[in-house]
Amino acid sequence: DAGVIQSPRHEVTEMGQEVTLRCKPISGHDYLFWYRQTMMRGLELLIYFNNNVPIDDSGMPEDRFSAKMPNASFSTLKIQPSEPRDSAVYFCASSRDRVDGYTFGSGTRLTVV
Amino acid sequence: AQKVTQAQTEISVVEKEDVTLDCVYETRDTTYYLFWYKQPPSGELVFLIRRNSFDEQNEISGRYSWNFQKSTSSFNFTITASQVVDSAVYFCALSEADGGTSYGKLTFGQGTILTVHP
Repeated sequence: DAGVIQSPRHEVTEMGQEVTLRCKPISGHDYLFWYRQTMMRGLELLIYFNNNVPIDDSGMPEDRFSAKMPNASFSTLKIQPSEPRDSAVYFCASSRDRVDGYTFGSGTRLTVV
Repeated sequence: AQKVTQAQTEISVVEKEDVTLDCVYETRDTTYYLFWYKQPPSGELVFLIRRNSFDEQNEISGRYSWNFQKSTSSFNFTITASQVVDSAVYFCALSEADGGTSYGKLTFGQGTILTVHP
């Protein structure tokens, strides 16, 4: 089992550019979560999916953020246009059910300059 | 609303000392789950343990032990005979499970930075 795979590991982009973060969950895990980690706000849940369907996106900060899960093995988190305050580490996690322990990916460190 | 408080921002110990990381939570649900995660300097989040609200038995896994007390809404984590490799940020988290809007959403504490010196 390769675990949850995120790409890229690091992303540096200029303000105003579109950024796409990618995630491959563990096979057989029905839940996928996107979290953001910053020094100021800690770990925040952005959105989660169950069986590829978005269930709760109340944590998505604004319309510039969007997430999709076109199939059970792939999800994207897109920021368009990006702003410096979006700089953070973005984690994807998956689990078999909602209250199981999540398995997190290694994260994507996003820097918007 | 669910809330997790880790009052200790940073703890520094010398190798072989025992150390306890505190976690206090708030929830109105009767069914909930508590978790601990470790975030080493490499940055990934590693799952350590999950407990449900109906199981107050303490748990021990090697040098790690967890003390869950519903009466004080606490779920503390103790590392016995700490080692340098234990240096990391440790997060306590809560997931409510009564079926409300927060069902299954992990809420994390702010984390405790543990530094173990040789």
